[in-house]
Amino acid sequence: EIVLTQSPDTLSLSPGERATLSCRASQSVGSIYLLWYKHQPGQAPRLLIYGASTRATGIPDRFSGSGSGTDFTLTISRLEPEDFAVYYCQVYGPSDYTFGQGTKLEIK
Amino acid sequence: QVQLQESGPGLVKPSQTLSLTCTVSGGSIKSGSYYWSWIRQPAGKGLEWIGRIYTSGSTNYNPSLKSRVTISVDTSKNQFSLKLTSVTAADTAVYYCARSEFYYYGMDVWGQGTTVTVSS
Repeated sequence: EIVLTQSPDTLSLSPGERATLSCRASQSVGSIYLLWYKHQPGQAPRLLIYGASTRATGIPDRFSGSGSGTDFTLTISRLEPEDFAVYYCQVYGPSDYTFGQGTKLEIK
Repeated sequence: QVQLQESGPGLVKPSQTLSLTCTVSGGSIKSGSYYWSWIRQPAGKGLEWIGRIYTSGSTNYNPSLKSRVTISVDTSKNQFSLKLTSVTAADTAVYYCARSEFYYYGMDVWGQGTTVTVSS
């Protein structure tokens, strides 16, 4: 079973700044299987990135994903007020899905 | 477009079985190549994947819950369901259903979530 560890647990930034969120896997992951979600309180999670780097439908281009192997990154180039939320990475496996523990992006 | 809606009791007694249904609208649950999953989030904690059922009917479950979970599909009602037996307070959570497509794998359609409390 793959374990995903996200860092940092909490990231405090201001609107307009750049956010870099990390997701590390306990073993090598095929990029096609790495996903990112945004989760705001009281709402369902929203798919941001699939295949490690492809934006889902309707996701603004300030969101980008990168990485390979065991290290993946979600970057938000210029934070908007609506970007402050919890972000999860996730990996698909042949017999399961696994989520990271989440990174809370909060307003500084 | 496809939409999902969870339904079921909001309160379940300890040791009993939690039963939830996810109704699929705007598309057929048996068409295409999709995984239909259940995910939950206890208050103040992260997302936990519970299990999934594929279009073919095959299932996979979270190893930590496998002994207590069953996911099934009712194609006549365009629904899939979750049963979690022998519940405790630790099973109190918001439960979501979600769809993901084979090869793309991301959960692109989610239900709004339903809160289930386990309490006597």
